[in-house]
Amino acid sequence: AQKITQTQPGMFVQEKEAVTLDCTYDTSDPSYGLFWYKQPSSGEMIFLIYQGSYDQQNATEGRYSLNFQKARKSANLVISASQLGDSAMYFCAMREGPFNNAGNMLTFGGGTRLMVKP
Amino acid sequence: SQTIHQWPATLVQPVGSPLSLECTVEGTSNPNLYWYRQAAGRGLQLLFYSVGIGQISSEVPQNLSASRPQDRQFILSSKKLLLSDSGFYLCAWQNRGTQYFGPGTRLTVL
Repeated sequence: AQKITQTQPGMFVQEKEAVTLDCTYDTSDPSYGLFWYKQPSSGEMIFLIYQGSYDQQNATEGRYSLNFQKARKSANLVISASQLGDSAMYFCAMREGPFNNAGNMLTFGGGTRLMVKP
Repeated sequence: SQTIHQWPATLVQPVGSPLSLECTVEGTSNPNLYWYRQAAGRGLQLLFYSVGIGQISSEVPQNLSASRPQDRQFILSSKKLLLSDSGFYLCAWQNRGTQYFGPGTRLTVL
């Protein structure tokens, strides 16, 4: 079974509107972390936001927030007030195991291509 | 602040030729370093990681190898490239559990 599933291959959003990108995960480890990365056409992977499995509150970073529903094993990314520069691929990733352990690799989903319409 | 560099940015190589991709990190010491590969339109696959000089762990058996000759230098190599080695190669370093990526190298094997 896939550990990270992103069911939306592509999405459109109108500029200045909010958009939610879906991510579900599968793990039996009680300690894990969830990450979202943005990959523009240049190729660089840009870290956006992190949520730890023991964090009580949903993570927020500027216009990005993570809707973490632990029981449903979902970690959706919400982008508020979309901008043209938000057009990119977005990847959800998970680290299983203790925080800052070098051997705990990131497992990535297949990504969602977001296109912001002017 | 920390920065991560990769070169070359793009590379076109014939099948059977050798490969050497370099990654360096500035502004930190003894970082955990990672090599990932991304096939077209796909997510990232971890290839190697290193926790220190000379220490390499491989996640996927293949014709690639990695070395860490200096604290902040991580090299990805191959003696003979295959067509299937084409892809986008990303180096990353880890800080407080979060991995930060370099600009990547786009490799095309013909």
